[in-house]
Amino acid sequence: DQQVKQNSPSLSVQEGRISILNCDYTNSMFDYFLWYKKYPAEGPTFLISISSIKDKNEDGRFTVFLNKSAKHLSLHIVPSQPGDSAVYFCAARGTAKRGGADGLTFGKGTHLIIQP
Amino acid sequence: GAVVSQHPSRVICKSGTSVKIECRSLDFQATTMFWYRQFPKQSLMLMATSNEGSKATYEQGVEKDKFLINHASLTLSTLTVTSAHPEDSSFYICSARGPGRSRTSGAYEQYFGPGTRLTVT
Repeated sequence: DQQVKQNSPSLSVQEGRISILNCDYTNSMFDYFLWYKKYPAEGPTFLISISSIKDKNEDGRFTVFLNKSAKHLSLHIVPSQPGDSAVYFCAARGTAKRGGADGLTFGKGTHLIIQP
Repeated sequence: GAVVSQHPSRVICKSGTSVKIECRSLDFQATTMFWYRQFPKQSLMLMATSNEGSKATYEQGVEKDKFLINHASLTLSTLTVTSAHPEDSSFYICSARGPGRSRTSGAYEQYFGPGTRLTVT
């Protein structure tokens, strides 16, 4: 069962505009949510995270919003830049039924393409 | 920043042989490391949690006798795929729990290695 879902395999956004990547989850035991960026042949790079007790966290051009009642989070990138083109993974951490408290559960990723 | 390396970056082996993958934290000590596997067009799946000086904790459905994990030091964890079969062909990525908490979320961050592409023929 997919506990973390990213329903958009790809997203194309014009440079300078806002990119919004979405993520849904099913496990209410998750207590932290993270976004990772991944280039081909490289490991994921941590971008930003949010605790389940907050609804917004901002770091520079990146803002993550969490809606616990809807079990939904989103990553906003503004303004979008060509270097932002990559695969973005949503991940969740918590006392899921499998694994320890620190192991992450990942979505399948969304390929963000920034068009010049 | 925290850097994690993996070796080798890619390996091809014959069915029935064993392959060892190394994961190192280069500029910090990691008491906890994680091993993930990613199949094409799928998400990263947590295989096991590796704790320095103790036995690894395996996820449900992951055979501990097939995927041997050793975390002998604070900077090195190894994953050995024993008696590899073609269905074990995958992208294996390790991560190490960082030395400090995120300034924005308060959680320990995980730093990922570049991954190892395993192909079993």
